[in-house]
Amino acid sequence: GDSVTQMEGPVTLSEEAFLTINCTYTATGYPSLFWYVQYPGEGLQLLLKATKADDKGSNKGFEATYRKETTSFHLEKGSVQVSDSAVYFCALSDSASNTGKLIFGQGTTLQVKP
Amino acid sequence: GAGVSQSPSNKVTEKGKDVELRCDPISGHTALYWYRQRLGQGLEFLIYFQGNSAPDKSGLPSDRFSAERTGESVSTLTIQRTQQEDSAVYLCASRTHARGGTEAFFGQGTRLTVV
Repeated sequence: GDSVTQMEGPVTLSEEAFLTINCTYTATGYPSLFWYVQYPGEGLQLLLKATKADDKGSNKGFEATYRKETTSFHLEKGSVQVSDSAVYFCALSDSASNTGKLIFGQGTTLQVKP
Repeated sequence: GAGVSQSPSNKVTEKGKDVELRCDPISGHTALYWYRQRLGQGLEFLIYFQGNSAPDKSGLPSDRFSAERTGESVSTLTIQRTQQEDSAVYLCASRTHARGGTEAFFGQGTRLTVV
């Protein structure tokens, strides 16, 4: 079945460092891809998304490019802030099979130190 | 309400008791999902409803778990004869429809503790 694999955390960075969180997926169809974020004490919220190959999603300085050839959707940010400390989840929604199932990775905890 | 509402926010129950968790999705959202999040873990898919179609129950871990949804409104997740391993945060999410890049909106979750 469809699945999402994320790099294991926690990831600890200093403020202004470059961030990459790796995400790869397995899907039989042509999924839409998402990054969700869970800030401490808050619910999950959408960070960015991409719906077809080569699309780039971006929001709040974060970017991710849908790479069909490598089945990846890595999250990047050029300069992280303490306020970016959170748990990040990669997810997919399979469009082709129309099952509508929304599958999440295991989450990656990011801790940014001043 | 404006968002997905879940109740109760916290539930402590004794092992062996039944519990019922409730989710009120955003009005007009046809797709509704339940997930389980154990401490320090990812989101484990449990069940998903899309309109009046048969639900996808493929993630339910045992026959002690069941869920219902009437039309496109409230959903309840029932856990019978609770076990300590059922302790987790149960999250509900809704989408306008279960296709493509539509955003899922999450509730704050119900934290279930089985003692």
